[in-house]
Amino acid sequence: QTVVSQEPSFSVSPGETVTLTCGLSSGSVSASFYPSWYQQTPGQSPRTLIYNTNIRSSGVPDRFSGSILGNKAALTITGAQADDESDYYCVLYVGTGIWVFGGGTKLTVL
Amino acid sequence: QVQLVESGGGVVQPGRSLRLSCVGSEFNFRNYGMHWVRQAPGKGLEWVAVTSYDGSKKFYGDSVKGRFTISRDNSKNTVYLQMNSLRVEDTAVYYCARRSGWAEHFDNWGQGTLVTVSS
Repeated sequence: QTVVSQEPSFSVSPGETVTLTCGLSSGSVSASFYPSWYQQTPGQSPRTLIYNTNIRSSGVPDRFSGSILGNKAALTITGAQADDESDYYCVLYVGTGIWVFGGGTKLTVL
Repeated sequence: QVQLVESGGGVVQPGRSLRLSCVGSEFNFRNYGMHWVRQAPGKGLEWVAVTSYDGSKKFYGDSVKGRFTISRDNSKNTVYLQMNSLRVEDTAVYYCARRSGWAEHFDNWGQGTLVTVSS
């Protein structure tokens, strides 16, 4: 069974840069897994941030960026703002019509 | 602007069935695959199922395989999730999401519908 791992929580000060990661239980994450990232605030539907590793969805501020760092996918927020405080989820397409979500990272901005 | 509207949630006893619907509008529904994703209370997102644009291919997450069935009616711009043999652990908000035409991601989401499985 494929497990996608994310940091359960992260804290950042306003204006600082934070990088959240998305790993795979069996091996390395690469662009072939089409890593994507979603932001969710309490009571709201998820919002698509990044897809295909590093492409920002329409309307997403350029302080959000995606990449592959080492053997993981990564979401970097450059100059975090108070309203970036949310849950962040990565998803990997593991093939054969199967997608797997990470457990999510709760980001606190304080 | 793409719209996805789920319905059909409610309270149901363990072992019973429920069918969810998701109507898409403001896009050519028959050209897109569609997903169901769920979120248990206080928990993370879990991918449930996907159907291809024409309904010919369907895939499921391990936790629902054999109990849930995804289907679609392109004449009604609707995707369904038939949930049988429901368990307490199926309690969640169920979202439908559009499968992007490329790069394998979820490019639009509905507002969700809550399913509570309880005796």
